This record gives sequence, C-alpha cells and structure tokens, in this order.
Amino acid sequence: GQQLNQSPQSMFIQEGEDVSMNCTSSSIFNTWLWYKQEPGEGPVLLIALYKAGELTSNGRLTAQFGITRKDSFLNISASIPSDVGIYFCAGALIQGAQKLVFGQGTRLTINP
Amino acid sequence: NAGVTQTPKFQVLKTGQSMTLQCAQDMNHNSMYWYRQDPGMGLRLIYYSASEGTTDKGEVPNGYNVSRLNKREFSLRLESAAPSQTSVYFCASSLRTGTFVNTIYFGEGSWLTVV
Repeated sequence: GQQLNQSPQSMFIQEGEDVSMNCTSSSIFNTWLWYKQEPGEGPVLLIALYKAGELTSNGRLTAQFGITRKDSFLNISASIPSDVGIYFCAGALIQGAQKLVFGQGTRLTINP
Repeated sequence: NAGVTQTPKFQVLKTGQSMTLQCAQDMNHNSMYWYRQDPGMGLRLIYYSASEGTTDKGEVPNGYNVSRLNKREFSLRLESAAPSQTSVYFCASSLRTGTFVNTIYFGEGSWLTVV
C-alpha cells in the first residue's frame, strides 16, 4: 500500500526559530494536506495543495507541493509558543471518494 | 459551528464488550470517515462512506462495523472489543466533488481503552 515518510519525527527549537519538515511518498499524489493536532483535539487543516509545484502560505506557514508529486514541505517562520503540537502531512491520489494517507507526524516542542 | 461531533469522548470497555461510537456532521458533507490514531503511527482509515447508503473498508477494518444512518450520521461499532482496539478514534467528513480531493474535517476524538 501507499506509505508516507514524514521527517523529522520530533523537533526541539527555541522560540523565534524557523521550522522545516517534509513528507515523501512512494507513490504519486494529486493532493497534499498539512494538519496540526494539539493535545486532546482532532487534527485541524492548515494548508491544502492541489497542483505540482504549488507554493501556498497561511500566515507564518508555507507549504509546497513537490514537482515530482511525491513530496511536500512545510515551513514555519519565527516560531511562537502556540505553534507547539503535532504536524501531520496527508496525501491522496483518488479523486472524489478519497482515501487520505497520513504521515506519522512531527512533534514540535518550543522552548521560550 | 458544531462541525463534526462525536460521542462519547472517553470510554473504558472490558474485553468482549460491545459499543458504538456515534458521529454527526452539520456541514452537509457527502463523505464521512472513521480513523484510529495510535502512537507513532499517524492516522489509519478504518471505514469510510463516500455517500449516503454506501460504506467501504479502509486500511484497518477488522473488528469493526459501520452504519451510515443518514447523510449526517456515521457510526462505528465494536462487536467484541479487544485490547488491540485501545486507541483514539476520529470521525471526519468532507464535501465530495468530481474534480479535487476535498479536505477532510475532523471531530475532537474518542479515547477508548479496552481492559
């Protein structure tokens, strides 16, 4: 089956630093999504990417849909304490009735 | 703005007991999903319903059954709970179209422990 490899698995940074994480797939995807999950909550959508090469921003967050359609990147600039959480990438190939495949998550910890 | 609502939030079961997790969405979405989340494994799809009246197996369907009661509601049933089913369960929904894979919106999760 399809697999997503998300890295790094965890990050420990200082407040104000930039953050980069990525996902790679063994298969081509038509859609990449990035979610954030805080303790005790469900994942919340951050950014959706629908086209190879697409670069999309949401505030301090920027994500890119890799040109090969097998990878995606998420960057967070000037991190703040509320950025703490687990970030998940998700990819899908089938249009319509979708089956998203999720990465294992990147746990972000920020030291003030 | 309720979005996706799932109940119960927490449940402890004994091995062999049965229970049903309830989910409802108020966004008029066509598709609904049940995922489980285990440490270090991300989210894995148990079952999904592309539209009212249809259900399909996901990646890890064994030990579960689902019912798409109507467009709003999608329930997950454990007929005979096992310790391996201890997990956090998430219901989700999305608006289906023929062009793009639509984004999925999640409920807040149900923490299930089987002892």
